[in-house]
Amino acid sequence: NAGVTQTPKFQVLKTGQSMTLQCAQDMNHNSMYWYRQDPGMGLRLIYYSASEGTTDKGEVPNGYNVSRLNKREFSLRLESAAPSQTSVYFCASSEYRGNTEAFFGQGTRLTVV
Amino acid sequence: GQQLNQSPQSMFIQEGEDVSMNCTSSSIFNTWLWYKQDPGEGPVLLIALYKAGELTSNGRLTAQFGITRKDSFLNISASIPSDVGIYFCAGMEYGNKLVFGAGTILRVKS
Repeated sequence: NAGVTQTPKFQVLKTGQSMTLQCAQDMNHNSMYWYRQDPGMGLRLIYYSASEGTTDKGEVPNGYNVSRLNKREFSLRLESAAPSQTSVYFCASSEYRGNTEAFFGQGTRLTVV
Repeated sequence: GQQLNQSPQSMFIQEGEDVSMNCTSSSIFNTWLWYKQDPGEGPVLLIALYKAGELTSNGRLTAQFGITRKDSFLNISASIPSDVGIYFCAGMEYGNKLVFGAGTILRVKS
């Protein structure tokens, strides 16, 4: 039972570098999310995709872009990493209607130096 | 954007005690979810609530969806050491936007 799989688990970037965080789910869920978690701030929504083909900004979208590649995959891209983007990033997925429980990946710990 | 106020921020309780935490929102939600996060892991769903007034239990955990649809609470009865972790409330609004509270850190003295 893979559930939600995120890669990589750890990453160190230099300021200005770019990278893409990958997320895939095998539960046939329609909705997918990207959050960042910082101490004392809970989980803040960066972007979400309510269904395949749509993406919307969350609370903290600046500095990020997303792609809903297909129903399974939702990637998060940092075009020019900044130290303020040092965080733990979580991907999640949920059904669109009825069962709206969201399931999380194990996280990507990103450090920007 | 949505604001979820979760309290308390942290709790340090004796093993065997009951725990209560709550979440309030400035807006209405159609679903409330409660999650627990262990160190180094992603959040894991504990309880889901779908109707205003709904009271749902999962073992020693009980959660309620407030009548106004702007609040929810979680109770843990007879706490044990493995209850330690961070507990998050989350609200889902129409359109499937899921937002989280800042979390309650629970520490248990054995």
